[in-house]
Amino acid sequence: DTEVTQTPKHLVMGMTNKKSLKCEQHMGHRAMYWYKQKAKKPPELMFVYSYEKLSINESVPSRFSPECPNSSLLNLHLHALQPEDSALYLCASSQVPGARETQYFGPGTRLLVL
Amino acid sequence: KNEVEQSPQNLTAQEGEFITINCSYSVGISALHWLQQHPGGGIVSLFMLSSGKKKHGRLIATINIQEKHSSLHITASHPRDSAVYICAVRGGETSGSRLTFGEGTQLTVNP
Repeated sequence: DTEVTQTPKHLVMGMTNKKSLKCEQHMGHRAMYWYKQKAKKPPELMFVYSYEKLSINESVPSRFSPECPNSSLLNLHLHALQPEDSALYLCASSQVPGARETQYFGPGTRLLVL
Repeated sequence: KNEVEQSPQNLTAQEGEFITINCSYSVGISALHWLQQHPGGGIVSLFMLSSGKKKHGRLIATINIQEKHSSLHITASHPRDSAVYICAVRGGETSGSRLTFGEGTQLTVNP
């Protein structure tokens, strides 16, 4: 199994809603990543989890709250988002964190904030 | 100036043509990745290079560390190759797991 899965595929939410994005991999990878991608732009790193601990937070607003309950699962909790947060949210994983590791990407969750 | 620059930004080709996409970077790197993103979002990692050349099917990737330059070649292009191709670099071990991405090259292959 070389797949990273993400749910839901699409999400529409209001600015007062609370929702969560889910990412799962069963490759035994110990590094997992959240990226945000706006249209026609490259992905921007948001968070990195390394061995289930948050190792990188790229100054992301607190309305985005990541969680890594176990080595296979990564969540992104969303609360009080703004319309400008509408984007494609990509999850990725790699065997270990590090410079020469290939990252495997999920299909993304397309988020629209109204 | 971006740390990673790709050219061209957009590329249209006829089926069967040989395609080259270029990536130049300005920082020291430990690895360079070529990624493919189809409409709809999913990203596929095509290659990871730290030196030399790699080939997979009709795709060839090369890197010249001294010149800080990499190329992605597609031989006998096909409409299903239409996608955005992204070059991403990773610095040394002290840069952690951060990838620095280029802006991408939108490739359209017409039948």
